[in-house]
This record gives sequence, C-alpha cells and structure tokens, in this order.
Amino acid sequence: AQSVAQPEDQVNVAEGNPLTVKCTYSVSGNPYLFWYVQYPNRGLQFLLKYITGDNLVKGSYGFEAEFNKSQTSFHLKKPSALVSDSALYFCAVSSMEYGNKLVFGAGTILRVKS
Amino acid sequence: DAGVIQSPRHEVTEMGQEVTLRCKPISGHDYLFWYRQTMMRGLELLIYFNNNVPIDDSGMPEDRFSAKMPNASFSTLKIQPSEPRDSAVYFCASSGSPLAGPTGELFFGEGSRLTVL
Repeated sequence: AQSVAQPEDQVNVAEGNPLTVKCTYSVSGNPYLFWYVQYPNRGLQFLLKYITGDNLVKGSYGFEAEFNKSQTSFHLKKPSALVSDSALYFCAVSSMEYGNKLVFGAGTILRVKS
Repeated sequence: DAGVIQSPRHEVTEMGQEVTLRCKPISGHDYLFWYRQTMMRGLELLIYFNNNVPIDDSGMPEDRFSAKMPNASFSTLKIQPSEPRDSAVYFCASSGSPLAGPTGELFFGEGSRLTVL
C-alpha cells in the first residue's frame, strides 16, 4: 500500500518569510508526487508534480518542492509567503504498482499573517 | 472551458432518502474520479472511470453507494438509502491522462456538500 504523511496540521508564517510544508511518503516502486491547494469551499487545484528527472520542481504561484528519495520526502516551499497563500495544502502520491491511484495526505493548513 | 461541473452544490436530506450527485467532466478528459472529503477521514477515492468504464471501485464504502458514467460527459454518484454518516463533501475530478502519464493533473469540481439529517 502507499501512504502520505503530512506531520503538521497547521503552519503559521509571517508574510514575506519563507515557508515550508512537510510531506513524507511510503510507496512500492517509483513514486509520483503531487501538491494540491484547496481554498475555502472550493475544489482542489494542482500546484506541481514530480514524475522523474530534476529533484527540484517548480510550480504555480511561486511554489516549489524538492524530491528527496533517501528521506522519502517531498516538502513544499516558497521563498516569500503572501497572505493570499493561506489555504489547505495536500500532498499526494501515486505509483504504477498501485494502479496509478492518487492517495492524499490529511492536509496542512497554512496561515500567513501580515 | 468551464471546468468540472458538479451539482447540486449543497444537499440537505433526511436519513433513508435517495441522493444523486452529478458531474460533468472537462470535455476530452477520459478519466473521471469521485472523492469524498470528511474531517475524520480526509480525502478518499471512491471510484474512478476510464472511457466511461469503472476501473476501480474498491473505495466505495458499501452497497448503498453506486456510480455510473453513461457517456463521456456525465457521471452520477448515488446513495440509497442515505445515512447521517454519509455527510461529507463529494468531489468529482477529471484527467486527460493516467496519473503516471505526462500530465497527471486532476481537475476538481467545486464539490457537493451533503448533509444527511
């Protein structure tokens, strides 16, 4: 089975400061890793993905994530947080061994304060 | 493109009633997914279709739940009879390729919030 852990229920950061939202995964075979964002009363929106290649992935709205195979992590980062980044963030994993089904983590609330 | 369209956005019903949730995927997408979101269990994949055919329904909680995709532009998720524990937000998502493919991006609808009293 495959799984995703987001160890922090909530992350608080001041506007302009760098932010990190943590994600670790467990999967058989090669992982395909994703980050999605959910704003209140909205559906999830795709931010970025890692399939293969460069371990540093850049995505929408200035977000990036680094794939670390040895630590089985895929942390989401942004150099300078905006108040508008406040939302619920989901890490997700899939793999060919698991039929390409996407499994989501529990989510991390990001609060950016001005 | 209008994106994935779900209806109704909100549904309040009484225990024992039948509930039907509807989804129109993005035109041209051949994968369709139904997810359920609750505080306790997070996001759960219920079922997904490829080219209108159900591929994996192992996440469907029990026989009270059923899903159909009669054509490429329409899918339904039905709960009969409904129970209070079915209260959740149900999301439909579509994709133009397998998750492990070059895109791997799911496009989600706005969700249907179901409350069963």
